[in-house]
Amino acid sequence: EAGVAQSPRYKIIEKRQSVAFWCNPISGHATLYWYQQILGQGPKLLIQFQNNGVVDDSQLPKDRFSAERLKGVDSTLKIQPAKLEDSAVYLCASSRPGRDEQYFGPGTRLTVT
Amino acid sequence: EDKVVQSPLSLVVHEGDTVTLNCSYEVTNFRSLLWYKQEKKAPTFLFMLTSSGIEKKSGRLSSILDKKELFSILNITATQTGDSAIYLCAGRHGGATNKLIFGTGTLLAVQP
Repeated sequence: EAGVAQSPRYKIIEKRQSVAFWCNPISGHATLYWYQQILGQGPKLLIQFQNNGVVDDSQLPKDRFSAERLKGVDSTLKIQPAKLEDSAVYLCASSRPGRDEQYFGPGTRLTVT
Repeated sequence: EDKVVQSPLSLVVHEGDTVTLNCSYEVTNFRSLLWYKQEKKAPTFLFMLTSSGIEKKSGRLSSILDKKELFSILNITATQTGDSAIYLCAGRHGGATNKLIFGTGTLLAVQP
């Protein structure tokens, strides 16, 4: 089966600009996650969707980050405006309902200058 | 506060060596412990452990969980250069969110 797809793979923007990332999960995976991984750290969950509903967004900086999964499949994560400390790899993952294993996409490396 | 601590932070070994990576956890309503290998960007799933004392094995890799002492180990025998990666462990939070709490990882470098 095809894996989790993400785009773009790399993005460089200036601070205060906006950026959007796209994720297409594995077919049949109802749960979708966005993680932020800062260099030298483990991934940190930003938001979790079950189908098109938000399950957990407690660590999402809602003043600048937003995410949606309108039709319960693809998802987009947006940052507006970006700050220097947003430089990180943004990973999307998906899992089947009731299963613990999450499968990760290749990630998007964001550099904010 | 939930936390997962991995040790060592980094490790350099020679091909053929055996390594043991450690993971201790404090996760609310703990449900399972997962190990991932991260080579470039995407973490790839290795093991999921839910029961104490039952070893999971895949080729040269094996892992075990101790739910009493709240830790897990990942063993790699006869290491190869292709084992060089960051190894992440994560505790699965129980309840509706089922989120993963990741450690910072162990960077393993296997030299020829």
